[in-house]
Order: sequence, then structure tokens, then C-alpha cells
Amino acid sequence: RKEVEQDPGPFNVPEGATVAFNCTYSNSASQSFFWYRQDCRKEPKLLMSVYSSGNEDGRFTAQLNRASQYISLLIRDSKLSDSATYLCVVNEGGKLIFGQGTELSVKP
Amino acid sequence: DTAVSQTPKYLVTQMGNDKSIKCEQNLGHDTMYWYKQDSKKFLKIMFSYNNKELIINETVPNRFSPKSPDKAHLNLHINSLELGDSAVYFCASSQVLAGNPDTQYFGPGTRLTVL
Repeated sequence: RKEVEQDPGPFNVPEGATVAFNCTYSNSASQSFFWYRQDCRKEPKLLMSVYSSGNEDGRFTAQLNRASQYISLLIRDSKLSDSATYLCVVNEGGKLIFGQGTELSVKP
Repeated sequence: DTAVSQTPKYLVTQMGNDKSIKCEQNLGHDTMYWYKQDSKKFLKIMFSYNNKELIINETVPNRFSPKSPDKAHLNLHINSLELGDSAVYFCASSQVLAGNPDTQYFGPGTRLTVL
């Protein structure tokens, strides 16, 4: 089983749609969690950290379920500029483990 | 102002050659990393240095040797390049807080192609 597992997609959605990405992780001792965004042929950049209580940043909402070892990212009112790959990232003992990423394509 | 810079951006070379990639960060971070992103897009950590000391060394062939002359620089030297080394190599830096990495800032990547 992969340490961090994501549906690679691609998710093709129209502008304005709501889209949700899921991620599962295998190590129950994982300490912190993040979503990174990677544009085509660019470097990954932090989108948001994920807290147990859930957190929101504008149109983006992240949730963590430690019991199920599951992380989610919800994007509301999708924009063309949201098209990218979204990487689920888990901190295991000071080392970041990246998921394969979920590709999102937002169409006009 | 480039926070994390890498050179070169592209590297095309023959099998068996030795090559180096350089990385510099001007963020004042104490920890730097090398990651490899293969054709399937998996991003995997290779090495991590904290204040010039090696703290993470994943299962990487010993043809790969990182060197950190100071905490702002982390270079990667690769000997006897193989076809399977073709990938994008990302340098990153972060502060480490209570043993946990804070936000990682990545360089633009070096696209290595081994022919």
C-alpha cells in the first residue's frame, strides 16, 4: 500500500463547479498534513495546511479525519486558474511524503 | 528576488557522465532538501541537510552525493549517470520547528535527461 494515496484524475470540471479531492495515508503516527499545488512544469507550492478541526481559505476547504486516515480538499466556484495538480502531503517523523497528485482541469 | 534557485534548469547528458546541480536559498532557512520527481509525477525525498549536517538519506544509490558548503547552499553531484536517473530534481528549503518541517519552498527544478 502506498504511504499517501490519491486518485490521479484527471478531473475535468466546468468553471463554477465544486470539486472534491480525497487522500488516504497509511501511517497513523503522521503528525501534520498539507495540500500543495503544482502547475504544469513548475515547482510545488503550499496551498494550505490541514488541521484536525478543518480549515478554510477563501474557496478552499481542507478536512482531516485522523480515525479514517483521510484528508480532503474542497474547491468551490472553480476558476480556470485552479487548473493544476493538487498534491496531498503528510509529515512522517519530520519527513514529508507526497502523494502522486490529482490533476484538475477547469474548462470554460 | 528568487527565494530558492537551482542551476542548471535543463541538463541533457550521456550515460556514464558525471554532473552536478547547484541550489541556493536566500530565505535564511536552516534545512534544505533534494527531491526527485519521476515520469509518473511522484515526488520523493532524497536527502535533507540541517545546518550543513545530513539528517535524511533515503535509499538512494551512492552515485548521488549531496554537499552543503553552508546552510544556504545544497549541491547534488551524480556520478556515472544512468537512463533511470532522468527526472526533474527539485531543491527545497524550510525552517524546522520542533523537529517538524514548516512550509517547504521549492526551486524551479532541474530537468535531467540521460541519453
